[in-house]
Amino acid sequence: NAGVTQTPKFQVLKTGQSMTLQCAQDMNHEYMSWYRQDPGMGLRLIHYSVGAGITDQGEVPNGYNVSRSTTEDFPLRLLSAAPSQTSVYFCASSPTNQETQYFGPGTRLLVL
Amino acid sequence: ILNVEQSPQSLHVQEGDSTNFTCSFPSSNFYALHWYRWETAKSPEALFVMTLNGDEKKKGRISATLNTKEGYSYLYIKGSQPEDSATYLCAFNDYKLSFGAGTTVTVRA
Repeated sequence: NAGVTQTPKFQVLKTGQSMTLQCAQDMNHEYMSWYRQDPGMGLRLIHYSVGAGITDQGEVPNGYNVSRSTTEDFPLRLLSAAPSQTSVYFCASSPTNQETQYFGPGTRLLVL
Repeated sequence: ILNVEQSPQSLHVQEGDSTNFTCSFPSSNFYALHWYRWETAKSPEALFVMTLNGDEKKKGRISATLNTKEGYSYLYIKGSQPEDSATYLCAFNDYKLSFGAGTTVTVRA
């Protein structure tokens, strides 16, 4: 099993550009989530999904969209990148929301 | 936004010494309390998921206790080793996870 994979590992964007951060898991987990990690602030939940076709907002959803068309994939879209979105993004999955979450390797995003 | 606090923010421990630190969380709508270990340049790795008041978990030299009525959990490291150096995160689960900012442990040889 590859576990949770994220692409790209690193990305530089200009303000106003759009992009999609990819996340995939091969463990047949129902629950998937996106976090951003900023210095001194720990991990903050952006969006989460409890299964295919179901998504909900977390603590910091503004500026981000998600969709969950399959169990395996949970992409995160930045519609119009802003410097405030410079961060490290982690995707995670778990069998259910109460169980251990398994994290991907992260995507480092720099918005200029 | 849930208030999950960890203290202290950082601590330095001599190799061989034991240490502990705290996670405080809301005492209502409790599903579970998660502990993760996060090494620099890596992804967070799960240590424990605790669901019941009075729960105690142990993994090698690391253990944790849980008090859901008063809203706190302790993580203990016995006989600290340099490889225990990491940031330890707790996360309160009320259907979704809210993370604390972490306690960074540095073990000096």
